[in-house]
Amino acid sequence: GAVVSQHPSWVICKSGTSVKIECRSLDFQATTMFWYRQFPKQSLMLMATSNEGSKATYEQGVEKDKFLINHASLTLSTLTVTSAHPEDSSFYICSATGGLGHNYGYTFGSGTRLTVV
Amino acid sequence: GQQLNQSPQSMFIQEGEDVSMNCTSSSIFNTWLWYKQDPGEGPVLLIALYKAGELTSNGRLTAQFGITRKDSFLNISASIPSDVGIYFCAGPRSGGYQKVTFGTGTKLQVIP
Repeated sequence: GAVVSQHPSWVICKSGTSVKIECRSLDFQATTMFWYRQFPKQSLMLMATSNEGSKATYEQGVEKDKFLINHASLTLSTLTVTSAHPEDSSFYICSATGGLGHNYGYTFGSGTRLTVV
Repeated sequence: GQQLNQSPQSMFIQEGEDVSMNCTSSSIFNTWLWYKQDPGEGPVLLIALYKAGELTSNGRLTAQFGITRKDSFLNISASIPSDVGIYFCAGPRSGGYQKVTFGTGTKLQVIP
């Protein structure tokens, strides 16, 4: 089945530094990848949609200069949290789809727990 | 915007009991998805529903697409400890068919 690998699974960084999170589709080509953020005891909130070879589209209220997304190939999308602050601490999850029309069952990565100290 | 409200917010049940949870929206959805999220993991798709009135099973799980298209239900029969987790409903957002909105979640805890 479709597998999405996310790395790292957890990271601790100092305030003001940048952190890169990778999302890879291992056995299919992901035309579209999505990045979500989940705060403790809350639901998943979509941050941005990443299409291979084009600029990401961000949801309202998400700063594109702070959350840099690159989808350079059909199997890799990266999210870079720039100048991280403690309020950016959260669980970041990516998902990927091969764009198979009616198939909404796109696969999620296992998430990255970011803690900014 | 589209919002999906789930109830109950959380529940404790005895192993072996059946579980019911629901998801409601003020907007019509043409597809309903049910996911389960284990602690520290990404969500995993359990069941997808594509037609109003549709009833679909996946093992001990059964989900129904409400006929009004504004609600959906998930039932788990004969619960076991590994059913513990957070269950989310989700539906495609208007204007972007591959984007989905997630519900508020139902946290399930099973007492052995």
